[in-house]
Amino acid sequence: EAQVTQNPRYLITVTGKKLTVTCSQNMNHEYMSWYRQDPGLGLRQIYYSMNVEVTDKGDVPEGYKVSRKEKRNFPLILESPSPNQTSLYFCASTPNRHGEQYFGPGTRLTVT
Amino acid sequence: DQQVKQNSPSLSVQEGRISILNCDYTNSMFDYFLWYKKYPAEGPTFLISISSIKDKNEDGRFTVFLNKSAKHLSLHIVPSQPGDSAVYFCAASDRGSQGNLIFGKGTKLSVKP
Repeated sequence: EAQVTQNPRYLITVTGKKLTVTCSQNMNHEYMSWYRQDPGLGLRQIYYSMNVEVTDKGDVPEGYKVSRKEKRNFPLILESPSPNQTSLYFCASTPNRHGEQYFGPGTRLTVT
Repeated sequence: DQQVKQNSPSLSVQEGRISILNCDYTNSMFDYFLWYKKYPAEGPTFLISISSIKDKNEDGRFTVFLNKSAKHLSLHIVPSQPGDSAVYFCAASDRGSQGNLIFGKGTKLSVKP
């Protein structure tokens, strides 16, 4: 089954404690993105990757890092999480940057 | 400044009637538009798209209309069903640029039995 998986689905952590949210897709898509969804703000892109070892900032990259060492995986790293990073995070993949995106189920992160 | 605007945060419709969700955009270079549906605790799923060379695209109960001169698109759902209750996101892109897909803030549709 074609899918995008994310782990963990739920995470509660404390300010400053480094964390990683994993994302994996099995569709051999070149393009992957991370979004955050906040009430009243919709979906905002954090980072994207056009292929292995090629990443770039989206609209709200501050406080986040990503890596793309393999085509299927695109982890989101929060080196020092802060409460304003409490949000719902979605990973997505697509065969081309302007086309239909396939979203993961989401990761709800709470930073206290 | 928002390039893609969904000015109605919510919409309530009776089952069997038509649901009309609206979306406005400001960037005249956008040439591809998509609608996504999102249920609680799930990721958004693609619903329907339209290229700027068309003014209408239909898929079953879902039809998207594009008015380029008004920079406006709408999603029509006929007839509406309770299972259509979800948040709907409009998205747009300029396929000739290096830019990415831009999403609106979403409209929450409630279809009442």
